[in-house]
Amino acid sequence: GQQVMQIPQYQHVQEGEDFTTYCNSSTTLSNIQWYKQRPGGHPVFLIQLVKSGEVKKQKRLTFQFGEAKKNSSLHITATQTTDVGTYFCAGDQAGTALIFGKGTTLSVSS
Amino acid sequence: NAGVTQTPKFQVLKTGQSMTLQCAQDMNHEYMSWYRQDPGMGLRLIHYSVGAGITDQGEVPNGYNVSRSTTEDFPLRLLSAAPSQTSVYFCASSYSEGVGAFFGQGTRLTVV
Repeated sequence: GQQVMQIPQYQHVQEGEDFTTYCNSSTTLSNIQWYKQRPGGHPVFLIQLVKSGEVKKQKRLTFQFGEAKKNSSLHITATQTTDVGTYFCAGDQAGTALIFGKGTTLSVSS
Repeated sequence: NAGVTQTPKFQVLKTGQSMTLQCAQDMNHEYMSWYRQDPGMGLRLIHYSVGAGITDQGEVPNGYNVSRSTTEDFPLRLLSAAPSQTSVYFCASSYSEGVGAFFGQGTRLTVV
């Protein structure tokens, strides 16, 4: 079945440093979605990428979808303490529910 | 507009007991799913539904049943609770395939 792998599992940065998490699928995806979960909270939808090679930005966050639609990345520029949490990618194949990666937990020290 | 509502928020069960985790959404979403979250394992799909009367199994369906008699509700039943089912359970809904999902606040279940 479809598998979505995400690295790294954990990342600690100093405030102001950049952060990147990578997502790889074993199959071609219809789209990929990114979610953020704050400690003790529930996942919150951030963005969806649909097109091959697509790049989207949300303030300091940059999301990319690979040309083959099998990989994606999330890059945060100049991290802040409010960026703390776990970031999940989720792959969507036609006709099925979202399959999530294991997530990357980001901690930020000031 | 409450979004996705899960009840209860916390539950302790004894091994062998059965219970139903409730999930309701008021957004008229067709797609609903149940996930369990365990440390280091991410979110694993248990069951999902693409509309009333339609359900399908996810990655880890054993020990769980679902039904979808209405668009709004998607209860998850634990038939005979086991300690391995200790987890945080999230219900999610979306308007259709390929759009962002809304998650409930979660149910923290402990089986002793």
